[in-house]
Amino acid sequence: GAGVSQSPSNKVTEKGKDVELRCDPISGHTALYWYRQSLGQGLEFLIYFQGNSAPDKSGLPSDRFSAERTGGSVSTLTIQRTQQEDSAVYLCASSPFLPHGYTFGSGTRLTVV
Amino acid sequence: LAKTTQPISMDSYEGQEVNITCSHNNIATNDYITWYQQFPSQGPRFIIQGYKTKVTNEVASLFIPADRKSSTLSLPRVSLSDTAVYYCLVGPNQAGTALIFGKGTTLSVSS
Repeated sequence: GAGVSQSPSNKVTEKGKDVELRCDPISGHTALYWYRQSLGQGLEFLIYFQGNSAPDKSGLPSDRFSAERTGGSVSTLTIQRTQQEDSAVYLCASSPFLPHGYTFGSGTRLTVV
Repeated sequence: LAKTTQPISMDSYEGQEVNITCSHNNIATNDYITWYQQFPSQGPRFIIQGYKTKVTNEVASLFIPADRKSSTLSLPRVSLSDTAVYYCLVGPNQAGTALIFGKGTTLSVSS
């Protein structure tokens, strides 16, 4: 597609439930990134996929968070047993082989009640 | 990755030139400097990137002194629509590196 697409745009879930967030990167972009942005804060790096290489998971805050990227394209970020502190906007970005010049999606606003 | 320091906030009026300076004392030889802009409820948007001296595009200019320990994003004749958060990032222009965003500079433009 023309841009990075994320779905859903908004998600309200109950504490303890699992959620899946989806990211469709720009076609042909080999790198895909997930970030989290809490209200009024900067972007927190979560995980990075580059081609067929093992992902860089160094930013995942706990083992409740996981992500996968199928076929080098679509990525899903899964949060298990959600907590209220997981409430944030989850942003996905993709880029060509070199990391500069990311294109971000509009994000998924997750609210855990 | 080199740490960056930039002002938390800046205020300006329409039509003025705005300069946002970012300090990156520990910049490495292979690091590039990149600036992003973020509007409310949107993801950040790439503005400009440079390695040294001056870079200019249709949106902004980026000034980088010879020692590269700082950089200045210059926005000419800002308008209300330039109100946003501006992020300065420093990192190598190579695969295998995820860029780290700080808290950015919140620019507020008034009429």
